[in-house]
Amino acid sequence: RKEVEQDPGPFNVPEGATVAFNCTYSNSASQSFFWYRQDCRKEPKLLMSVYSSGNEDGRFTAQLNRASQYISLLIRDSKLSDSATYLCVVNAGNNRKLIWGLGTSLAVNP
Amino acid sequence: NAGVTQTPKFQVLKTGQSMTLQCAQDMNHEYMSWYRQDPGMGLRLIHYSVGAGITDQGEVPNGYNVSRSTTEDFPLRLLSAAPSQTSVYFCASSGTKRSAKNIQYFGAGTRLSVL
Repeated sequence: RKEVEQDPGPFNVPEGATVAFNCTYSNSASQSFFWYRQDCRKEPKLLMSVYSSGNEDGRFTAQLNRASQYISLLIRDSKLSDSATYLCVVNAGNNRKLIWGLGTSLAVNP
Repeated sequence: NAGVTQTPKFQVLKTGQSMTLQCAQDMNHEYMSWYRQDPGMGLRLIHYSVGAGITDQGEVPNGYNVSRSTTEDFPLRLLSAAPSQTSVYFCASSGTKRSAKNIQYFGAGTRLSVL
């Protein structure tokens, strides 16, 4: 099993749609969880951290399920500008090393 | 707000040449790292540093050297470039006492082609 696994997509959705991505991780000792966004030929940028109780930032909601070892990202009311690759990131146990998923590609269509 | 600065943005090398990719951050971050990103492979850690004078190997260190003489700078050296090192290289930094651990901030990347 890969350490961090994501569905690569692509997800093609119309503007205004709600779309959800899941990411599974294998290290039960992981403590930090993040979603990053990467635009084509650009650097990854933090979208949001994922907290145990779940957290929301505008149209974006992140959830963590420790029992099943997965995190999720929900995007409501998709915009054209949401088109990007979304990277799931988990720390490697009790240290600062981060394990990166391969990313899920999202295309929001007019 | 410079953040993490990488130079050069693009580079073409011939097999066997050496070069240094520069990375500097102005956020007083203690943790810095180098990644390479290849299609279908995701981000892979090359080397990292937890502070000035301390470096360690990541997942794919062969063919690369690093040093960390100051908190700000973390150069990556390609000793003898090979076509397999054609990739996009990202430098990242994280970690001050006042910010959440592990959130990494990236430079804009260096696109390297080895012919």
